[in-house]
Amino acid sequence: GNSVTQMEGPVTLSEEAFLTINCTYTATGYPSLFWYVQYPGEGLQLLLKATKADDKGSNKGFEATYRKETTSFHLEKGSVQVSDSAVYFCALRPSVGRGSTLGRLYFGRGTQLTVWP
Amino acid sequence: KAGVTQTPRYLIKTRGQQVTLSCSPISGHRSVSWYQQTPGQGLQFLFEYFSETQRNKGNFPGRFSGRQFSNSRSEMNVSTLELGDSALYLCASKGGGDTDTQYFGPGTRLTVL
Repeated sequence: GNSVTQMEGPVTLSEEAFLTINCTYTATGYPSLFWYVQYPGEGLQLLLKATKADDKGSNKGFEATYRKETTSFHLEKGSVQVSDSAVYFCALRPSVGRGSTLGRLYFGRGTQLTVWP
Repeated sequence: KAGVTQTPRYLIKTRGQQVTLSCSPISGHRSVSWYQQTPGQGLQFLFEYFSETQRNKGNFPGRFSGRQFSNSRSEMNVSTLELGDSALYLCASKGGGDTDTQYFGPGTRLTVL
């Protein structure tokens, strides 16, 4: 079946530190992969996405590369800021399967990031 | 272009009552999906509507239902509320030139007492 596994949080970093949040997936074929971010009291915001192997998604200094060989889509940022404190969700959209699976997103459990000044 | 809007933002109900939540998608988007977010279960898919038809459905009991109108606005209804229905309910829309990406609203926080 389809599933996403994220590293357990919480993750606590100092400002300007390097960030990695690991994400691996299980799916048939070539799913589309996403990172969403959720700030306190808000809904999910799309951070970046990649739709085929070796694609790199990037936005606001965050990057993630679609690695088919390792079924991974790790999120990275070279220098985090206090304003990056939020919960980050990795998600996939299947490319194959029955109609009941194609339209939906499968999410990881989320990783809480706290950045201290 | 305005984003996805959800009303109300907060709701408090008691067990046994029913509730209706509303979602207005981004203009031009014809697909609306609903998700339930809880600390214990994370984000779980409820259902997806496209052109007024339910296209996909998650593993939720029949107490959870939805519909979509001709203007793509969607409502979801939960009948006979249980304490475990307390959650953030998120609506997402997709469409236009990108049928891959779902854009989420701010959610409706439902508390069942």
